[in-house]
Amino acid sequence: EVQLLESGGGLVQPGGSLRLSCAASGFTFSSYAMNWVRQAPGKGLEWVSIISGSGGTSYYADSVKGRFTISRDNSKNTLYLQMTSPRAEDTAVYYCAKGGGGGYRYFDCWGQGTLVTVSS
Amino acid sequence: QSALTQPASVSGSPGQSITISCTGTGSDVGGSNYVSWYQQHPGKAPKLMIYDVSSRPSGVSNRFSGSKSGNTASLTISGLQAEDETDYYCSSYASSSTSYVFGTGTKVTVL
Repeated sequence: EVQLLESGGGLVQPGGSLRLSCAASGFTFSSYAMNWVRQAPGKGLEWVSIISGSGGTSYYADSVKGRFTISRDNSKNTLYLQMTSPRAEDTAVYYCAKGGGGGYRYFDCWGQGTLVTVSS
Repeated sequence: QSALTQPASVSGSPGQSITISCTGTGSDVGGSNYVSWYQQHPGKAPKLMIYDVSSRPSGVSNRFSGSKSGNTASLTISGLQAEDETDYYCSSYASSSTSYVFGTGTKVTVL
């Protein structure tokens, strides 16, 4: 059974930094692209970033480009999101989501999410 | 990328069929075969319901179906049941920008 478990969320000050983690199990982690998707309180879903199975290619939403960095450690079956210079509008539940169908087609499994609150 | 446009709410009686629309542009929905739909219950993670416009994952009821015409994709729920009452989001891959865009979300109410 595929399982994704996010951690690392919490309260962070504007301009600070925070690293989110997503521990994966139940599938060959290195074979699949992985994503971060976020959802602000009471709002809709917003795609944040994707990284290829090897970790060699990544893409970002314009809203986080230059501030967030996605990475992965395939030896630990773990996905990361390094958040630097967060802003109040980055407050959201952050989900990791497994890429389905060869990577760039859909999100077939999701974690339970971790809440990030950006506030002073 | 701007969010895809969905109706804020759709309602129907038990047993009826409803359709949720998802309108984008030629750069996303209209130019992609990678349109997917997600169901999200309050406080829970989204669940994949339809992928590649009209394909259904194993375990998802055949009451859910998807289609696309031009820049608009649609999710149809037939034989509406009380358990279908929740939020639904569409999503499309946008190859021109190597990004994904989600819809604004639709709340389904079973009357």
